[in-house]
Amino acid sequence: AQSVAQPEDQVNVAEGNPLTVKCTYSVSGNPYLFWYVQYPNRGLQFLLKYITGDNLVKGSYGFEAEFNKSQTSFHLKKPSALVSDSALYFCAVRGWDSGNTPLVFGKGTRLSVIA
Amino acid sequence: NAGVTQTPKFQVLKTGQSMTLQCAQDMNHEYMSWYRQDPGMGLRLIHYSVGAGITDQGEVPNGYNVSRSTTEDFPLRLLSAAPSQTSVYFCASSYRPLDTGELFFGEGSRLTVL
Repeated sequence: AQSVAQPEDQVNVAEGNPLTVKCTYSVSGNPYLFWYVQYPNRGLQFLLKYITGDNLVKGSYGFEAEFNKSQTSFHLKKPSALVSDSALYFCAVRGWDSGNTPLVFGKGTRLSVIA
Repeated sequence: NAGVTQTPKFQVLKTGQSMTLQCAQDMNHEYMSWYRQDPGMGLRLIHYSVGAGITDQGEVPNGYNVSRSTTEDFPLRLLSAAPSQTSVYFCASSYRPLDTGELFFGEGSRLTVL
């Protein structure tokens, strides 16, 4: 079975400070990993994905994520937070050998960037 | 290029009523899916389709029906609405269905069942 855990419901960070939103996963075999962002009253938007290769993945809006296989983690990071980064962030996973099984999403982490 | 279009954006139903949430995409995506979003529950998959004529159940399919007669459309039917179905519903599609393709989401349909 596939699963994703986002251990923090809420993350608060001051503008200009680095931010981290945590994600751990469980799949059989190798994972495909994704981050999505949801702004108020909008649908989810794709941020970045890890398929294979370099463990550090760069995505939209200056975000990046680091894949750590030994810790089964895929934390989202940004060196300098902006107030406009305030949103709900979702991590998602599926295994390489999962057949037609769709993505499994975490419960989401609300990021609040304070000016 | 409209992407994924959901209608209606808002709907209020009474218990026992039926309705259909519409979803259309103009990107020629093979894969389409429906999720519901509830506070503290994240996104839960209701039904999905890997192509026209093919549908399958997700995590929470009870009380919902789907069909996929064309590549573009994937309607979600509530057969007899219940208050537990009060939620925000999202339709999503992907070109490369289930491996590396990112999902494109609609803007959501907010449903209230009284």
